[in-house]
Amino acid sequence: GDSVTQTEGLVTLTEGLPVMLNCTYQSTYSPFLFWYVQHLNEAPKLLLKSFTDNKRPEHQGFHATLHKSSSSFHLQKSSAQLSDSALYYCALSDRCSNNRIFFGDGTQLVVKP
Amino acid sequence: ETAVFQTPNYHVTQVGNEVSFNCKQTLGHDTMYWYKQDSKKLLKIMFSYNNKQLIVNETVPRRFSPQSSDKAHLNLRIKSVEPEDSAVYLCASSPLRQTYEQYFGPGTRLTVL
Repeated sequence: GDSVTQTEGLVTLTEGLPVMLNCTYQSTYSPFLFWYVQHLNEAPKLLLKSFTDNKRPEHQGFHATLHKSSSSFHLQKSSAQLSDSALYYCALSDRCSNNRIFFGDGTQLVVKP
Repeated sequence: ETAVFQTPNYHVTQVGNEVSFNCKQTLGHDTMYWYKQDSKKLLKIMFSYNNKQLIVNETVPRRFSPQSSDKAHLNLRIKSVEPEDSAVYLCASSPLRQTYEQYFGPGTRLTVL
């Protein structure tokens, strides 16, 4: 069945350092992968989604590359900002999931000055 | 404004009471969802409705029942709440057969005393 694994529950780093949040997945079919971000007391919002043509999605300095060989969709940013502190969910959907999205457990990112 | 709207924002009640939460989306989407976000921030899907038809029910307790009058509205009723029902309930919507991304409402925080 479909599933998403985020190995880090909490990532703490200093402003200006690079960010990498891990995401691996299992899917029977060619999946769509997503990153959602949830700031404190706000709704989760779509940050990135994978493309079918191997383009690398980018938004607000974040990017992620879908690697089918390793079943990964890690989230990266070259330089963390204080405002990046939030909860990040990796998620998956495919043509047989009946419009359902499978969410990982989430990674809390804390950026310190 | 096109978005997903939820009422109320907060609700405090006692064990055994009945509560109802409302959700409305003005995005013209065909599918709506209810998620439970617990104290560990895990996102668990509860129900999914596609144009008033229930298409996913993740074996939630029978005291939970979704109600939909049309594809823009999906309410959630909880009969006889339990302490473990304390959580944030998130409503979401998505277009059908496209890229499956979901749009979330701000959530309703339920506290059961």
